[in-house]
Amino acid sequence: ILNVEQSPQSLHVQEGDSTNFTCSFPSSNFYALHWYRWETAKSPEALFVMTLNGDEKKKGRISATLNTKEGYSYLYIKGSQPEDSATYLCAFINDYKLSFGAGTTVTVRA
Amino acid sequence: EAGVVQSPRYKIIEKKQPVAFWCNPISGHNTLYWYLQNLGQGPELLIRYENEEAVDDSQLPKDRFSAERLKGVDSTLKIQPAELGDSAVYLCASSLGTSGVHYEQYFGPGTRLTVT
Repeated sequence: ILNVEQSPQSLHVQEGDSTNFTCSFPSSNFYALHWYRWETAKSPEALFVMTLNGDEKKKGRISATLNTKEGYSYLYIKGSQPEDSATYLCAFINDYKLSFGAGTTVTVRA
Repeated sequence: EAGVVQSPRYKIIEKKQPVAFWCNPISGHNTLYWYLQNLGQGPELLIRYENEEAVDDSQLPKDRFSAERLKGVDSTLKIQPAELGDSAVYLCASSLGTSGVHYEQYFGPGTRLTVT
């Protein structure tokens, strides 16, 4: 099992504010990094699959960056809305082994 | 397009009883995953199938857990006998391609198991 850490564990954001959080992973034998959003009572939903160092991906107000050399990825939410409240999971893939972090739970206050 | 289907959604059993979970992946998805998710933790991979072959079952507790994916489509995960510590959410996911870890995964709603 690979050591994938997400921080912070949880955060509260005021509606309209922007926020970001981190996924840290081993920097050796990198294959891919996935980001998923898991809303309460729903299934986890894929946000991004990132494979190259320096990758930047964007979906609406959510974006992510990837640094494979130092072993981290940032997820950004711009202008948070209540519907962004969810747990955000990252999954690291190394030599076909896949490990999820524990997630960052985001609560957006109206 | 139908998503990943899992059943049952909830299951309550007494310890030492057997239990089975069923998963129907998205049509055409070769790779299927079973995960266990404990409260406050990320999903932990139990087994990964590519078509009907289990290509990674290193985290599956084989003394009590078993899984099958007949004909490379539906899959069943079984626990026999269940223990109190097996109480968790069991997630099934599927993805395209035989190198499925490079593709986004599509998750089912999960089965919440409570062992009393």
